[in-house]
Amino acid sequence: DQQVKQNSPSLSVQEGRISILNCDYTNSMFDYFLWYKKYPAEGPTFLISISSIKDKNEDGRFTVFLNKSAKHLSLHIVPSQPGDSAVYFCAASRYSNSGYALNFGKGTSLLVTP
Amino acid sequence: DSGVTQTPKHLITATGQRVTLRCSPRSGDLSVYWYQQSLDQGLQFLIQYYNGEERAKGNILERFSAQQFPDLHSELNLSSLELGDSALYFCASSVRGGGNTGELFFGEGSRLTVL
Repeated sequence: DQQVKQNSPSLSVQEGRISILNCDYTNSMFDYFLWYKKYPAEGPTFLISISSIKDKNEDGRFTVFLNKSAKHLSLHIVPSQPGDSAVYFCAASRYSNSGYALNFGKGTSLLVTP
Repeated sequence: DSGVTQTPKHLITATGQRVTLRCSPRSGDLSVYWYQQSLDQGLQFLIQYYNGEERAKGNILERFSAQQFPDLHSELNLSSLELGDSALYFCASSVRGGGNTGELFFGEGSRLTVL
């Protein structure tokens, strides 16, 4: 049961333009939403997160928007740079007695072309 | 460098065999998580340990088992291997079960190829 879905396996954007990566989820009990970035031959690294009580979080060139009514979040990268080319995973977490359990989407491969 | 160490980085074995993947978490992290990433799949949660005890189970097969030792390192044991077990296996660690947001720190992964 895929609770976090990234419906676009890949995205190509020109350098300097905006990259928009989308993510949908099904469980309304999620507390936090996170984006991870993964380069080949490396593990995923945390990029940015947003609490379920907020609708926007910004960190430099990266902004995450959350639309709870639509169960949708997006990651905006402005301006996009070639070094941003990577696979981006959307994840959602929910607190339980075990701590947080992260549910990941399948990832979107972003290619930023010069 | 996330501070999470996984060995081996690459492993090639045959069907029916058994392998052990090892993970050392970041210093001070008590929680260890194992994830599997197969071709065209996202990161599938397998199992979580907290301070030596199993805390949560995901889509982990009965042929797979894990444990966390007193020094907090963890091992994932995969037995009776099948071709479909070929995947990247990631270990992640966190502070006290995810800190404030669930942020995890991932190792570089162990790539298992079953022939």
